[in-house]
Amino acid sequence: DAGVTQSPTHLIKTRGQHVTLRCSPISGHKSVSWYQQVLGQGPQFIFQYYEKEERGRGNFPDRFSARQFPNYSSELNVNALLLGDSALYLCASSPDRGTEAFFGQGTRLTVV
Amino acid sequence: AQKVTQAQTEISVVEKEDVTLDCVYETRDTTYYLFWYKQPPSGELVFLIRRNSFDEQNEISGRYSWNFQKSTSSFNFTITASQVVDSAVYFCALSFYGGATNKLIFGTGTLLAVQP
Repeated sequence: DAGVTQSPTHLIKTRGQHVTLRCSPISGHKSVSWYQQVLGQGPQFIFQYYEKEERGRGNFPDRFSARQFPNYSSELNVNALLLGDSALYLCASSPDRGTEAFFGQGTRLTVV
Repeated sequence: AQKVTQAQTEISVVEKEDVTLDCVYETRDTTYYLFWYKQPPSGELVFLIRRNSFDEQNEISGRYSWNFQKSTSSFNFTITASQVVDSAVYFCALSFYGGATNKLIFGTGTLLAVQP
């Protein structure tokens, strides 16, 4: 079975632009979470979706939004990009709540 | 508040040495999960282990072992006979039990460098 897949793998954007990151969970997994990992730090929780509903939101501004589709894939959108949004964005899928999360390889976003 | 502390920023060992990575956590919940993940240079977080707070039995998996002690709020990870392929950043993480979300709270990670 394929693992969690994320696209694109790398992205360079200019300040003020908008970006959409995509994630396909492991087949059969209904929960998708997004994390931001700044260089030298641990991942920080952004969102969790379960069965297409938002189940959790971290301490991120409203410029960050996400959604989950009927096939359980997910998109993370970030508007009005700032230099500080440069990070590795990780997607994780879980079969259910309260279970271990399996991570994709991430999208490395650079804002210039 | 929930918090995970990994006080060791970097550890360097020579191949075949044993190494222990420390993890101390804080939570007011009586039931919770603890995790260890490995992050090689490729960036993907690789799941290693999950422990429930009500199961303090230590676990061994090959060269890996985990020591969970609720009394000291610690969940330490030992690699026996380390190998160069063990070089990575290791993260300890905490999540709630039975909640609507399985949000993970990560420590800042420990960079392990195993020299040949």
